[in-house]
Amino acid sequence: NAGVMQNPRHLVRRRGQEARLRCSPVKGHSHVYWYRQLPEEGLKFMVYLQKENIIDESGMPKERFSAEFPKEGPSILRIQQVVRGDSAAYFCASSPEQGRGIAGELFFGEGSRLTVL
Amino acid sequence: QKEVEQDPGPLSVPEGAIVSLNCTYSNSAFQYFMWYRQYSRKGPELLMYTYSSGNKEDGRFTAQVDKSSKYISLFIRDSQPSDSATYLCAMSASGAGSYQLTFGKGTKLSVIP
Repeated sequence: NAGVMQNPRHLVRRRGQEARLRCSPVKGHSHVYWYRQLPEEGLKFMVYLQKENIIDESGMPKERFSAEFPKEGPSILRIQQVVRGDSAAYFCASSPEQGRGIAGELFFGEGSRLTVL
Repeated sequence: QKEVEQDPGPLSVPEGAIVSLNCTYSNSAFQYFMWYRQYSRKGPELLMYTYSSGNKEDGRFTAQVDKSSKYISLFIRDSQPSDSATYLCAMSASGAGSYQLTFGKGTKLSVIP
């Protein structure tokens, strides 16, 4: 029973390094969403992707952050030149299709916790 | 004013108690209202999902939405120690952007045996 799989679960990086977080959606789901949970804050939407397309990246910082969902393989959230403020839990969610009422059909993974030293 | 306000607690209750959790919001465009449960170091798990105003019941859980007051509630009856978790309210507008959930900060609940 494969839900949303995220790895690594924990990642430690020094300032200036790169972080790559991976997400494999629920089998059969073609829509992926990334959310970030900063300490003492609620989850915040970052980006919505379909296979080979970025649909909405309005919640993603303009610099250093990028996301992709290739035709084959997992979705990747990439953070370049990490800073301490990037320390957070990054959650991936997937859904079978995008449409009305999709809000209740987002399945979340267990998250990747990034710590920047 | 934040879009979604949720008392972070912590909230501690004895086993068997009725628990009331709530959120207020300011965006009148929100049409979908959800409650997620998040155990420590885990991902959010959808508990209840409601469209527009009204009540919805599922076992020991009841979700209420009052759009006129911009206020949503989750009630847990006969609370169990296994209910100890952080409860997140979330909401979104209808239509193509409904995947953009706006979350509260979460209320940490402990149910004491």
